[in-house]
Amino acid sequence: GESVGLHLPTLSVQEGDNSIINCAYSNSASDYFIWYKQESGKGPQFIIDIRSNMDKRQGQRVTVLLNKTVKHLSLQIAATQPGDSAVYFCAENRASGSARQLTFGSGTQLTVLP
Amino acid sequence: DSGVTQTPKHLITATGQRVTLRCSPRSGDLSVYWYQQSLDQGLQFLIQYYNGEERAKGNILERFSAQQFPDLHSELNLSSLELGDSALYFCASSPSKTSGGAITDTQYFGPGTRLTVL
Repeated sequence: GESVGLHLPTLSVQEGDNSIINCAYSNSASDYFIWYKQESGKGPQFIIDIRSNMDKRQGQRVTVLLNKTVKHLSLQIAATQPGDSAVYFCAENRASGSARQLTFGSGTQLTVLP
Repeated sequence: DSGVTQTPKHLITATGQRVTLRCSPRSGDLSVYWYQQSLDQGLQFLIQYYNGEERAKGNILERFSAQQFPDLHSELNLSSLELGDSALYFCASSPSKTSGGAITDTQYFGPGTRLTVL
């Protein structure tokens, strides 16, 4: 069936190192992807997005890579900081009739070690 | 702060009861979405409203209903509550100014309402 999933449920990195969070999707018709960050007790926060006609997009300390051939998405966080500790979700945004629906992956818990 | 507000922040009630959750979207956003987040199910899309009308339905139970008012705020009504309805309920909003929603119609989430059914 159609799904958006994450390879690893948890990831621990040393402060200052780079983090890479991976996500797989199965719907080849998906045309827009978003990464969200959710801190404990808060709502998901938009980090960065990418359209399917792009392979890479950079933000402030974050980069999203899209490999449509293998239906894989990754989020890279440079110089990871304690404030980056959170659950990260990839989400697939695709047309559903006249609307667009967001389907979330299961999330990866990122822990930044001092 | 995303600009989306939700009330109440916490809600504790008993099985069989009915509750109403409220959401105010970001200024100018026409679409409102409701999601349920539980430990074993992750973030599940429930329903979307666009400018007062239902636009899309996800995994929403018949005991649940929603509406969007002329001022664009939305309410999610949960009735005949069961223990399994305990979860975080999030509202999100997006501009959706083009017909059908733009391809980059990013959703911005509120802080959520934590519902506990005892």
